[in-house]
Amino acid sequence: QVTLRESGPALVKPTQTLTLTCTFSGFSLTTPAMRMSWIRQPPGKALEWLARIDWDDQKFYSRSLKTRLTISKDTSKNQVVLTMTNLAPMDTATYYCARGYDSGQFDSWGRGTLVTVSS
Amino acid sequence: EIVMTQSPLSLPVTPGEPASISCRSSESLLHRNGNNYLDWYLQKPGQSPQLLIYMGSNRASGVPDRFSGSGSGTDFTLKITRVEAEDVGVYYCMQAQQLITFGQGTRLEIK
Repeated sequence: QVTLRESGPALVKPTQTLTLTCTFSGFSLTTPAMRMSWIRQPPGKALEWLARIDWDDQKFYSRSLKTRLTISKDTSKNQVVLTMTNLAPMDTATYYCARGYDSGQFDSWGRGTLVTVSS
Repeated sequence: EIVMTQSPLSLPVTPGEPASISCRSSESLLHRNGNNYLDWYLQKPGQSPQLLIYMGSNRASGVPDRFSGSGSGTDFTLKITRVEAEDVGVYYCMQAQQLITFGQGTRLEIK
């Protein structure tokens, strides 16, 4: 059974750095063609893809957020980590991690973690 | 960046009636391998999104056959043959041809 769980702070102050961890089970990120992405959703708004890391450690970022994001993985712990710098109130959102394939689709999602940026 | 445009944004449907959602991309999603890198997701109230259709027309595991996807290139459609109460939520199309972008979402509600 595939499971994904996001964890991180619920409240972050403006200008701070956010670190989110996705802990997964039921598969390995060393499997060829496997990918993990981070996606966020501001309250009441649409989904926005943020970053992706592939089984071979290739990394891809949203063009609009590229300078603020870093994605990494620890295959021994079955974890993927996203850091986002210089947080602002507009970064308030539920952050999801999702498993993907080289054909693009996300077949498994975590429950999401709500991050609020406020002083 | 590929822009995804969905219509309508709101879709009230009577149970048992069909429903259709359109998704258009600003660039072709047809890969040289012949596949369209277009997926459909449903986000039910209070839940994470769930995969319905991948590569334009392939139903994901466990998805009822009343859901179908069609289209190629820049124009895609999600159809529900007979809407049920459990189909309520926001439907998103997503392209994976160049990185990832989502449509704005279409909110399906029961009349």
